[in-house]
Amino acid sequence: LAKTTQPISMDSYEGQEVNITCSHNNIATNDYITWYQQFPSQGPRFIIQGYKTKVTNEVASLFIPADRKSSTLSLPRVSLSDTAVYYCLVASWNTNAGKSTFGDGTTLTVKP
Amino acid sequence: DTAVSQTPKYLVTQMGNDKSIKCEQNLGHDTMYWYKQDSKKFLKIMFSYNNKELIINETVPNRFSPKSPDKAHLNLHINSLELGDSAVYFCASSQGQGATQPQHFGDGTRLSIL
Repeated sequence: LAKTTQPISMDSYEGQEVNITCSHNNIATNDYITWYQQFPSQGPRFIIQGYKTKVTNEVASLFIPADRKSSTLSLPRVSLSDTAVYYCLVASWNTNAGKSTFGDGTTLTVKP
Repeated sequence: DTAVSQTPKYLVTQMGNDKSIKCEQNLGHDTMYWYKQDSKKFLKIMFSYNNKELIINETVPNRFSPKSPDKAHLNLHINSLELGDSAVYFCASSQGQGATQPQHFGDGTRLSIL
C-alpha cells in the first residue's frame, strides 16, 4: 500500500484558495487517490477521487501530475465552514477498503 | 434521511462494564466497517464485513465482537471495558469492498471510560 505524507496543519483566511498536497512516491499503477474531509464531531466524508490529470466537482478540484507521485487538493474561496481535517488515501480498486489507511490528515483552519 | 446512523452518540461507563454500539445503513451497501479514532485523531480500521461475513479483523482484542444480523446492520459489542478503549468509534459502509469505493461514515460514538 502506498504511504502518504501530508502537512500536519495549514492556516488560511476566508475567501482564499487553499491547496493541500499529498506525497505518495510509491503509488502503484492501479492506485487511485481519494480525499476525505472530516468536520469536528462528524465522520469523514468523501469529497473527491482521481487517477490522473484533473478532476473537479462542486466541492473541490484534484490535480495529479503525470508521474502521480503527488496530488493536490484545491479548495476555492474557503469559508470558516471549511475548517476540517483532510485525509488523502491511495489504494487500488482490488485492495480491500479496510486495508487502506487514513494517515494523519491535514488540519485546515480557516480564519475570518 | 441519515445514511449511516450510530447509537448511542455518547457512552460514558465504568471500567469493566460491557457495552454495545449499534450501526445501521440505509444505502443498500454490501460492506460495513468499524473504525476507532483516538485522541490524536488517527483513524484505525477495526473490522470489515461484506454481506454479513467478516472480511478484516485488524488485531483487535477479543473483547470486541462485531455482529452483523443483516447487510444493513453492524453492531459492536465490547466486554470488560478498559481505560484505553476511550475513543470515538465510527461505523462506515461502502458499495463493495474495493478501496476505491467511497466510504460513508456515521457521526461516531464517543466512548468515555471512567
